[in-house]
Amino acid sequence: ETGVTQTPRHLVMGMTNKKSLKCEQHLGHNAMYWYKQSAKKPLELMFVYSLEERVENNSVPSRFSPECPNSSHLFLHLHTLQPEDSALYLCASSQDRGSSYNEQFFGPGTRLTVL
Amino acid sequence: QKEVEQNSGPLSVPEGAIASLNCTYSDRGSQSFFWYRQYSGKSPELIMFIYSNGDKEDGRFTAQLNKASQYVSLLIRDSQPSDSATYLCAVRSGYALNFGKGTSLLVTP
Repeated sequence: ETGVTQTPRHLVMGMTNKKSLKCEQHLGHNAMYWYKQSAKKPLELMFVYSLEERVENNSVPSRFSPECPNSSHLFLHLHTLQPEDSALYLCASSQDRGSSYNEQFFGPGTRLTVL
Repeated sequence: QKEVEQNSGPLSVPEGAIASLNCTYSDRGSQSFFWYRQYSGKSPELIMFIYSNGDKEDGRFTAQLNKASQYVSLLIRDSQPSDSATYLCAVRSGYALNFGKGTSLLVTP
């Protein structure tokens, strides 16, 4: 257990559905991240939040919408996804996104399948 | 494009041997370097980090960093079958971590 939890662990959705992924960290960290891991590809950073402010958005399609209501919780809202969006979605947190030296700790991930 | 390159493997070593995993990176300004282990179907788990040139040892693991050559490696001594996993190299650039595709390690009994 890293202190970062994610729900649900598995999700199957159709292209017209709307769903949300939830992440919660119990480490007292100030920064939270969403990553996408597809087969045969490196982890891709999607969004970075620091103290509830979005500080990076790596050209992610608008069908992915993040929300960070407080420093412990992070959501990823999904709508009208495509089959190629099927992947493992990982949440991570770190003490402070501004420091070069802080380590990121990952949650268990949500395995998403889009039909 | 800030790239992190790893040999995808699989790297196969016998139990008890030393496994050597290598990583190169393109951003010369990178300050910190991380090794994560990922078992199949699981999330990445941080096992080592290194910031300064030279070696850093933690139990059976040694991370080596050479910033002039833009090269970082991970040595696993006395490899065990439980070490079989994919090892991800991550390089920090700004506040993002850039990951390699990972090297698959198989330790055979």
